[in-house]
Amino acid sequence: KQEVTQIPAALSVPEGENLVLNCSFTDSAIYNLQWFRQDPGKGLTSLLLIQSSQREQTSGRLNASLDKSSGRSTLYIAASQPGDSATYLCAVAGGYQKVTFGIGTKLQVIP
Amino acid sequence: GAVVSQHPSWVICKSGTSVKIECRSLDFQATTMFWYRQFPKQSLMLMATSNEGSKATYEQGVEKDKFLINHASLTLSTLTVTSAHPEDSSFYICSASPREAYEQYFGPGTRLTVT
Repeated sequence: KQEVTQIPAALSVPEGENLVLNCSFTDSAIYNLQWFRQDPGKGLTSLLLIQSSQREQTSGRLNASLDKSSGRSTLYIAASQPGDSATYLCAVAGGYQKVTFGIGTKLQVIP
Repeated sequence: GAVVSQHPSWVICKSGTSVKIECRSLDFQATTMFWYRQFPKQSLMLMATSNEGSKATYEQGVEKDKFLINHASLTLSTLTVTSAHPEDSSFYICSASPREAYEQYFGPGTRLTVT
């Protein structure tokens, strides 16, 4: 059974700082890994999708990496802004189209 | 492309009533749709998988008579929470997978509050 862990559970940083969110998973036989953003009381916004054959994906100030063999992914946010404050979820797609979510990292960027 | 919508985005209902949530794939045909729910401070958990024209497959611990799932067309799946209780208050999200593809595209979610 796939288990997805996100560390830290919460993070508070001053505006402008670069930061890294971590995601680890127990079963390396994955199809893809996706990072989402969830604002309080709102739905999911897809940020980056990394296929199992890829090592990283970039979108603007966001960069996600994937190391399938070690069961790890990181989401790097450059020059953080208060608008980046949200909960970031990692989701791993494995066999039989089963997607397993982490519990998320709650990020607060302080102006 | 690959947009999934949900309606409503939030709903408040009284205990004992039923509420229906719709999930639509707007620009592709979804042979498989998935329903997840998220309780406070917990991760999203898969409730059931539905294939167009057939009965849904429910995950262990999910009551199929309480959470009725219908996937009558290739672009629409519905989740009906029957006889809702306050403990059913949660965030429900669907995803859809195109024909002959593996990716799941997620809807924005529906927040259900049962009073």
